[in-house]
Amino acid sequence: DVKVTQSSRYLVKRTGEKVFLECVQDMDHENMFWYRQDPGLGLRLIYFSYDVKMKEKGDIPEGYSVSREKKERFSLILESASTNQTSMYLCASSLWGAPGTEAFFGQGTRLTVV
Amino acid sequence: AQTVTQSQPEMSVQEAETVTLSCTYDTSESDYYLFWYKQPPSRQMILVIRQEAYKQQNATENRFSVNFQKAAKSFSLKISDSQLGDAAMYFCVTNTGTASKLTFGTGTRLQVTL
Repeated sequence: DVKVTQSSRYLVKRTGEKVFLECVQDMDHENMFWYRQDPGLGLRLIYFSYDVKMKEKGDIPEGYSVSREKKERFSLILESASTNQTSMYLCASSLWGAPGTEAFFGQGTRLTVV
Repeated sequence: AQTVTQSQPEMSVQEAETVTLSCTYDTSESDYYLFWYKQPPSRQMILVIRQEAYKQQNATENRFSVNFQKAAKSFSLKISDSQLGDAAMYFCVTNTGTASKLTFGTGTRLQVTL
């Protein structure tokens, strides 16, 4: 059974804290993605990576950074959390060079910044 | 840049009836893919159906089928014989390129009633 695993389902952090959201996939996928999901806005791409140590900005990268030290792991970092980063965060992975292929998603981390 | 528009924030259907969810998109690419993903209350994003833009034949998957109108850039999802388990948020999604970045619509929440 293929899996994308996010380290936390729920997280509460204080304003100004450094926050790490971890994502691990076991499918040997090259592509990994971080999306943010907000009501009425759908999913918006924050960052993606198509190889180890490679990263590309998505549509809303401001306030976020990422790290991909190993192929299976992709971390999203909030350097100084703010209340407007309260949201649902979804990690996904897919095969490189196959845009018609299915993307697999984690179950999401609901982050609340207080 | 790609955009995806879902104009129905919420829909309701009775069990065993048929419902159609609407989607329009815009892309400058000639080769692209279209998907419908489902997100039930468990938050696990699941692929429902996919369509290759260069194929004229509409995709079908059991009770799920699409009406793909390439010239009109329309991609609607029809669910036949609706079941309680179909209740979820449905996202219309486009994908182009080897990096497989998905562009999501804002979603349609489908309620299934007895």
